[in-house]
Parts: sequence; C-alpha cells; structure tokens
Amino acid sequence: AQTVTQSQPEMSVQEAETVTLSCTYDTSESDYYLFWYKQPPSRQMILVIRQEAYKQQNATENRFSVNFQKAAKSFSLKISDSQLGDAAMYFCAYRSPPTSGTYKYIFGTGTRLKVLA
Amino acid sequence: GAVVSQHPSWVICKSGTSVKIECRSLDFQATTMFWYRQFPKQSLMLMATSNEGSKATYEQGVEKDKFLINHASLTLSTLTVTSAHPEDSSFYICSVPGELSTDTQYFGPGTRLTVL
Repeated sequence: AQTVTQSQPEMSVQEAETVTLSCTYDTSESDYYLFWYKQPPSRQMILVIRQEAYKQQNATENRFSVNFQKAAKSFSLKISDSQLGDAAMYFCAYRSPPTSGTYKYIFGTGTRLKVLA
Repeated sequence: GAVVSQHPSWVICKSGTSVKIECRSLDFQATTMFWYRQFPKQSLMLMATSNEGSKATYEQGVEKDKFLINHASLTLSTLTVTSAHPEDSSFYICSVPGELSTDTQYFGPGTRLTVL
C-alpha cells in the first residue's frame, strides 16, 4: 500500500527567509503525481505545486519549488522569501495511477508552518 | 481553479439525528467526487468515492450504512451522516477531480459537524 510521511509536525521560518518541508512516500508504481497543498486557518485546501513522476525536472511555482528525488522517494517543498501569508498547514499528497477510471489521493500528516515577523 | 461549494459550512445537531451535507461542482460536470474527513490537527482521510449513476466506493473501515452517499447528478453529491454521535463530530471536505489527468482535485470549503 502507498504511504506518505511528513516527519516535521511543525516548522518555523523568519519572514523573507527560506524553509524546506520534507515528504517521503512509498509506492511500487512508476506513473503517479505528487502534490503539496496548503490549508490556512480558513480550512480551504489550496494547491501549491504538483509534480509528475515521469518528469525529471523539478516543478516550480514562483516562490515555491520542489526537490523531487524519485529513486529516494522524496518530495520536499522549498518556500523562498517566506511571507506571513505562507503560515498554514502544508500537506504532501500522492495520487495513484487510475484504478477503474478514478484516482486516489493519499495525504501525509501535515506540517504546520509558522512565519515569524 | 474550479469552484466547489459545500452546504452547510457548519452544523450542530443532537445525538441520534441525521445530517445531510451537499457538495456541488459549479464549473464542470463531475462523474466522481471524493469525501474526506479531517479530525482536529490531523490529516485528510478519504472516506469514500462518490460515483454518479452507481454506488459509492467506501474505504476500509468506513460504515456505508452510517455515511450514506448519493451522487444525485453530475454536479451534486450528498453525504448523510445517519444517527449521528459525538464521535462523528469532525470536518468533512468534498473534492472534485479535475477534468484532465494532469489536473489536481478541487476542494470544497468544508463542513464542520458538531454532534451534541
């Protein structure tokens, strides 16, 4: 069975600094997607960034980038120039290849990011 | 991103009563919707996959007779918590898969259920 592990329950970063959130996963599949979602206090889940497993190039979205190490099954999120609005719960998620026409998402336990002014 | 709505945003009910939560896909038709449950300070746990025109697929350990799912149309799925108990109090989130295989899933804003 696939699993997603986030070993950092909580992280802190100074405003304008850089922080990296860790995520490891386990799967026997070769074709899958990985995601980072942000959940602010409003509880609305927001997509931060996605990575296709077949792509070697690391995904980037403005201040957010990932370090995808497929062989090591590692998928870390780097937030550069941290802003107060980045404070939230961050979830790493794995999406399996489709089974019977539908996908399934598995979420990690989350990392709470605090941004210090 | 696509817009997904949930109603109600919060509900308080007495133990033993049933509560219905609606999830609507406002931007496109969805043959599949997901229902998640999130306990305080915990992750999202997939409860079931709602399928339009057929029965929902429940995850292991989820009681299908307690959590009734009806995918009434291509834009509406409902989750009914039957005979609710205080331990059913939680945050329930629905999501709609994107239309393309490269898409993410689009989440509703969630419903907070409190059972007294």
